[in-house]
Amino acid sequence: QKEVEQNSGPLSVPEGAIASLNCTYSDRGSQSFFWYRQYSGKSPELIMSIYSNGDKEDGRFTAQLNKASQYVSLLIRDSQPSDSATYLCAVTVTNAGKSTFGDGTTLTVKP
Amino acid sequence: DGGITQSPKYLFRKEGQNVTLSCEQNLNHDAMYWYRQDPGQGLRLIYYSQIVNDFQKGDIAEGYSVSREKKESFPLTVTSAQKNPTAFYLCASSADNLVVYGYTFGSGTRLTVV
Repeated sequence: QKEVEQNSGPLSVPEGAIASLNCTYSDRGSQSFFWYRQYSGKSPELIMSIYSNGDKEDGRFTAQLNKASQYVSLLIRDSQPSDSATYLCAVTVTNAGKSTFGDGTTLTVKP
Repeated sequence: DGGITQSPKYLFRKEGQNVTLSCEQNLNHDAMYWYRQDPGQGLRLIYYSQIVNDFQKGDIAEGYSVSREKKESFPLTVTSAQKNPTAFYLCASSADNLVVYGYTFGSGTRLTVV
């Protein structure tokens, strides 16, 4: 079992729809959870971090964390073509000093 | 502006050759990391360093070497022992050694074996 698993994708949604990206992790000692956005040919960029159960909203982005189910998700409301990218889920285990990444989910938003 | 500078952007390596990828940061971060990304895949950790003159192996350290002589610099050498080095290499840093707040990435080096 991989430490961090994401929907294999690709995921395609129409412009204006809600895109839902999912991630599960295996280590219950995980303390910090991140979503990075990576445009084709570019490096990843941190867009959301979440640390406690529940929802965290930032503009059109909402991160959701459920530690009991070991599940993290990212919702993108009112999806735009500029949101088309690969989204990487990353997890840091307490005191590990490093993050582990999932393989990413590629999102395409069609005009 | 503060950030991480990776060079070169593109690098071509001949069989049996060692090459060094540069990573410099002016963020005053203690922790620095090297990841490798293959097409359609996530990031795999090669080496990381949380303090000058100390570093730890990641999941795929074989065929790679690093040094950390200065806080600002964390170069990665891809040796001839790395049999399949063609990949996108990403250097990152973290404001804290426990990576509570996530990474800042450089723009990457794309290495190709010719």
